[in-house]
Amino acid sequence: EAQVTQNPRYLITVTGKKLTVTCSQNMNHEYMSWYRQDPGLGLRQIYYSMNVEVTDKGDVPEGYKVSRKEKRNFPLILESPSPNQTSLYFCASSLSLAGANVLTFGAGSRLTVL
Amino acid sequence: SQQGEEDPQALSIQEGENATMNCSYKTSINNLQWYRQNSGRGLVHLILIRSNEREKHSGRLRVTLDTSKKSSSLLITASRAADTASYFCATDSGSARQLTFGSGTQLTVLP
Repeated sequence: EAQVTQNPRYLITVTGKKLTVTCSQNMNHEYMSWYRQDPGLGLRQIYYSMNVEVTDKGDVPEGYKVSRKEKRNFPLILESPSPNQTSLYFCASSLSLAGANVLTFGAGSRLTVL
Repeated sequence: SQQGEEDPQALSIQEGENATMNCSYKTSINNLQWYRQNSGRGLVHLILIRSNEREKHSGRLRVTLDTSKKSSSLLITASRAADTASYFCATDSGSARQLTFGSGTQLTVLP
């Protein structure tokens, strides 16, 4: 089944404890992206990647890192999490359809930083 | 930066009625998309309309786009309880293929 898989789905951690949220897609998509979703703010893009070894900042990149060593994987790294990074995180990927970027989303990772 | 803004923020209707949601945006776009999100789940793509199109249909969905007013609307006809979800518009306006999402409309369809 074509899908984007995120892990973990739920995580409670403490301030300063490094964590990684993994994202993997099995659709051979070139484009991958991370979003965070907060009440009243919609989805905001954190980082995106157009292809392997190519990553760029989105609208809210502070406090996050990403890497794209393989086409299928795009992990999100929080080096020193803080409470304001408590959020619902989504990974998404896309295959350009006639130039349009139609996203397939993962199920989400709910992160709580205490 | 937030490009699309949905209106209303919340909408409650009876099953069988039509639901209309609106989206306004600020800059010129290549295309506009609508996504649906069931509570706490990932978003699912519903429909895409290109900047040179004015209207598009998909099943019970009808999307319009008015580029002169920088606005779009999503109409769901003959709504069902299963249509209860949040609906987001997303604009594609850059060469980097980034999508910018609005804050969503929460639709509740009462049985």
